Amino acid sequence: DSGVTQTPKHLITATGQRVTLRCSPRSGDLSVYWYQQSLDQGLQFLIQYYNGEERAKGNILERFSAQQFPDLHSELNLSSLELGDSALYFCASSLFGLGSTDTQYFGPGTRLTVL
Amino acid sequence: ILNVEQSPQSLHVQEGDSTNFTCSFPSSNFYALHWYRWETAKSPEALFVMTLNGDEKKKGRISATLNTKEGYSYLYIKGSQPEDSATYLCAFMKLEEYGNKLVFGAGTILRVKS
Repeated sequence: DSGVTQTPKHLITATGQRVTLRCSPRSGDLSVYWYQQSLDQGLQFLIQYYNGEERAKGNILERFSAQQFPDLHSELNLSSLELGDSALYFCASSLFGLGSTDTQYFGPGTRLTVL
Repeated sequence: ILNVEQSPQSLHVQEGDSTNFTCSFPSSNFYALHWYRWETAKSPEALFVMTLNGDEKKKGRISATLNTKEGYSYLYIKGSQPEDSATYLCAFMKLEEYGNKLVFGAGTILRVKS
C-alpha cells in the first residue's frame, strides 16, 4: 500500500458525459501527478500540481482539467467523454516534485470505461 | 520526439536464472531515470531513482546501472523468483523550462517459471 488513495476504483459512463476522479496523496506529500494508461499506450503523464499550483503539463486534452485543493487532495475532471478516453487513470504523489528526483508513489488507479 | 525504449518487450525465464533488461533514452537534457516494478492488478512501485552517470543502485536481488552519456540503463535481477514476475518500467525525466515530466517506456514483461 503506497498511501495514495484514489476513488472511485471503477467508473462506467456514456459518451458525452463528465466525470470526476479523486486522489488523496500520501501524508506530507505536496505534489500530485495524474497519468493515463490506455490499452495501446504506456503510462502517459497528464499534469502535475505542487502545493495547489499547476507545475507541469503533459499531453492533457483540453476537455480534461485538474486542480489541487488546500488539503492537497486533487481531482481530475474529464468532460465530453469519448470512447477513446477509456483507460486506467493513476494518481501519484511525491514529497516535493519541484524538478527534483523525488520518488513518485502511485495510487491503485481508477478504471474508466466509456460506453 | 522524446522516446524511451525498453528491450526486450517480454522475457520468460526459469526460477534461479539471472536476467537483465535495457532502457534507452535521449542523452541530452538528462535529469533523472526512474525504474518501476508493476505487478498485475497493482500500481507501479518505485525501485530506483538514478541521477548520476555511472550510478549503481541495489535493492535485494535487483540492481541497476546508469550511463547518461550514451543514454542507457540496465536493470539486473539475480536468481529470479516467481514473485519477480511483473512489468518493469523505466521513465526518463528531462530538464525542461516549464516543469519536468516523466516519460515512460512501454516496459519489459518478466515471467519467471518455477
